Amino acid sequence: DIVMTQSPDSLAVSLGERATINCKSSQSVLYSSNNKNYLAWYQQKPGQPPRLLIYWASTRESGVPDRFSGSGSGTDFTLTISSLQAEDVAVYYCQQYYNTPFTFGPGTKVEIK
Amino acid sequence: EVQLVESGGGLVKPGGSLRLFCAASGFTFSSYEMDWVRQAPGRGLEWVSSVSSTSDYIYYADSVRGRFTVSRDNAKNSLFLQMNSLRADDTALYYCARGGYDHNAPIDYWGQGTLVTVSS
Repeated sequence: DIVMTQSPDSLAVSLGERATINCKSSQSVLYSSNNKNYLAWYQQKPGQPPRLLIYWASTRESGVPDRFSGSGSGTDFTLTISSLQAEDVAVYYCQQYYNTPFTFGPGTKVEIK
Repeated sequence: EVQLVESGGGLVKPGGSLRLFCAASGFTFSSYEMDWVRQAPGRGLEWVSSVSSTSDYIYYADSVRGRFTVSRDNAKNSLFLQMNSLRADDTALYYCARGGYDHNAPIDYWGQGTLVTVSS
């Protein structure tokens, strides 16, 4: 199984400042034949189901604000919130969909400083 | 509008069974792989199972293989999860979720979840 790790476990960022979350996979999720990284990011607010933010490591889902961006390739990925807003308080998960089981990272909790 | 509505959760004793149901609407259900993902109270997300659009391909997490059975009825836009030999560590909120046209795709829609509690 591909093990997903995230860092940090939690972070507190001032409003308007940048938040950066890291995700690492135990093996590459880059499929060489199409040069795509099978990596997604989800946002989960309290009492709500997760919401897809980013897929193929860097493609923003429709309706997601452009302050959210994803980067990375192979085994190392980053989710960046360029200017943190109050509504961005949530837990963020990365997930690989390269191989079954489709494993999730443990989550990173983002709070306002 | 895509809607996924789960039901069937509840309190069950260890060793018991439960059948979860997901009603889908707002999209062509028969074209998409469907997933079950669970979340134990206060914990992270765990993928449980996927079923391809035509039910030809079915996948399970090791933690549930042999105890859970996923199925779908495309004529009724419905997804099911039969859960047998339930254990305390199966206690979780179970989400019905939409995958993609292909197996290797992200989950783009989630239901609100149905809570399963396994306790004596």
